[in-house]
Amino acid sequence: DIQMTQSPSSLSASVGDRVTITCRASQDIGNSLAWYQQKPGKAPKLLLYATSTLESGVPSRFSGSGSGTDYSLTISSLQPEDFATYYCQQYRSTPPATFGQGTKVDVK
Amino acid sequence: EVQLVESGGGLVQPGGSLRLSCAASGFTFSSYEMSWVRLAPGKGLEWLSYITTSSTTIYYADSVKGRFTSSRDNAKNSLFLQMNSLRADDTAVYYCARGPYSGILAYFDSWGQGTLVTVSS
Repeated sequence: DIQMTQSPSSLSASVGDRVTITCRASQDIGNSLAWYQQKPGKAPKLLLYATSTLESGVPSRFSGSGSGTDYSLTISSLQPEDFATYYCQQYRSTPPATFGQGTKVDVK
Repeated sequence: EVQLVESGGGLVQPGGSLRLSCAASGFTFSSYEMSWVRLAPGKGLEWLSYITTSSTTIYYADSVKGRFTSSRDNAKNSLFLQMNSLRADDTAVYYCARGPYSGILAYFDSWGQGTLVTVSS
């Protein structure tokens, strides 16, 4: 099974900050990577898939990049509604579909 | 609007059983493959099961294989998860999620709000 390792596990940031979260796969996943946002008590929300394709309705301040085993999610200017936990997920080799352990973004 | 609504969660003793349901609306349920994913306290998301449109292929995570069974009723736009031999580490919020592609387990483009399962004596 492919293991996904996210870093950092948590970070503190301010509104307007540029935030980057990284995700490393245990083997090449060929850009088959999705990112989700989850707020407490809410359903996860798909942000990006295929590494860098923005899901419909997701603000353009979210972007994704990477290749091979290393990927990242960037929020260009953090907004109040962006404080949440973010997860990466690979779908190159399934089953299983595997998620990173999550990165919690909270207020500095 | 796509809607997925889970139900059936609750408090159950170790070794007990529960059956979760997911009611789908706002899209052609029979055309989409579905999965179950859970979020345990203090942990990350964990994919549990995937079922194809006609139920011909079903996959399970190793952690639930042999204990959980996925099924669906396309006529009733519903997805189910039968959970047996429940353990304390099955305590989690359980989500149903829609897969956008036919024939492969990929990412999940719509999720329900989840139903809480607590396994405790």
